Formats: sequence, C-alpha cells, structure tokens
Amino acid sequence: DAKTTQPPSMDCAEGRAANLPCNHSTISGNEYVYWYRQIHSQGPQYIIHGLKNNETNEMASLIITEDRKSSTLILPHATLRDTAVYYCIVSGSARQLTFGSGTQLTVLP
Amino acid sequence: GAVVSQHPSWVICKSGTSVKIECRSLDFQATTMFWYRQFPKQSLMLMATSNEGSKATYEQGVEKDKFLINHASLTLSTLTVTSAHPEDSSFYICSARYGARNQPQHFGDGTRLSIL
Repeated sequence: DAKTTQPPSMDCAEGRAANLPCNHSTISGNEYVYWYRQIHSQGPQYIIHGLKNNETNEMASLIITEDRKSSTLILPHATLRDTAVYYCIVSGSARQLTFGSGTQLTVLP
Repeated sequence: GAVVSQHPSWVICKSGTSVKIECRSLDFQATTMFWYRQFPKQSLMLMATSNEGSKATYEQGVEKDKFLINHASLTLSTLTVTSAHPEDSSFYICSARYGARNQPQHFGDGTRLSIL
C-alpha cells in the first residue's frame, strides 16, 4: 500500500471549515483513499473514501487531485466534537488498512 | 447502519488468565473481520485478518497460538488472549467489512485489557 504523509497537528476555529491535507504521491491506480478519525479511547470512525472523483457525504467532503497524489478532507463546519486524530489511508481493493500517525485536529471554541 | 459492537469494553484480570473478546456486526454480514492492537500514544497495528469459516491470517510477529481468532459466523468473531501477561495489556479493536473489497472497514469501540 502507498505511504501517506499528514501534518502531525492542526487547529481550527469552531464553526469554520477544517481542511486536512494528505500526500500520497506513490498511490497506484487501484488504490482508494480512506479517511478515518479516532476520538480518544474509542475505535476509529469511518468518514469517507474515494478513488479519483471528489466525494461528499453527511460528514465531510473528499477532494482528490487530478493526479491522485494528494487529497484534502473537508469538514465544512467544525464543532468541538470533531476534535480527534484523523487518518488518511491508501489501500488497494484486497488489502488491509495500515494506520500511520495521522493529524491531531483540535477545534478551538 | 454498519454498526460493530465489541464486548467487553474493559477487562482487568490476573496474569495467566485467558480472556475472550467478542466482535459483532449488528446490521450487516461481515465477510471479513480484522483485529488490531493499539498501545498508548501509538497508532493501530493490524494483528490478523479473518474470513468467515476460514483460518485467520496473522501479521508477522503476532503469535497465533497466543491470540486465537474464531470467525464462525458472518456476524461474530472472537479473539482469545491465552495465558495473558502484563505485556499483553493494550487496547484491542476489531473491525468488519462487507461486500466488495473496496468497501470501508467499520470499527468497534475497542476493549481495554489490563493484565495485573
């Protein structure tokens, strides 16, 4: 599976959009981009995933660049409950998920 | 939808005891289930992958005789930590996936295991 690079931490003001970047320059054609988040002492929560098109669901939007070498997770209106570690994971169709260090997002009041 | 339930949430037991952790998919049939372990301030590490009715595939360095995995039905997988010792104390998390292989995994809330 391709390796991903995320900033270790980010802050965001409550009510503003949180934009979390992820680089995955070695991604291959059949690998998807998955985003999960983990709130302290809980299991990871699935947020969204995509292959090459931008995706949106009730939680977030996923923007994947045309060359697929990077992506951005957007939380449109961050709340205090969105404070968590966010993981960007690249995985092929038959592979397990490999968790990196993620980005600690802190939403500030 | 896609709810995964894990039980128990917390367990404290004496060294040498065997502990069983259950993972259930409540509203879907899980073709594949995964077991992870997470030590404090570290990320999740995959321990094993199991498909219903098949033997689990363990990651390198994970002792299959110590961490027994059973996936007897499409909604239940169990992890048994045999003869647990203090170094086995950790946060154990299961996940389940259904349908096509690109479908996301859905995680349980984890089991915090403390061995005294």
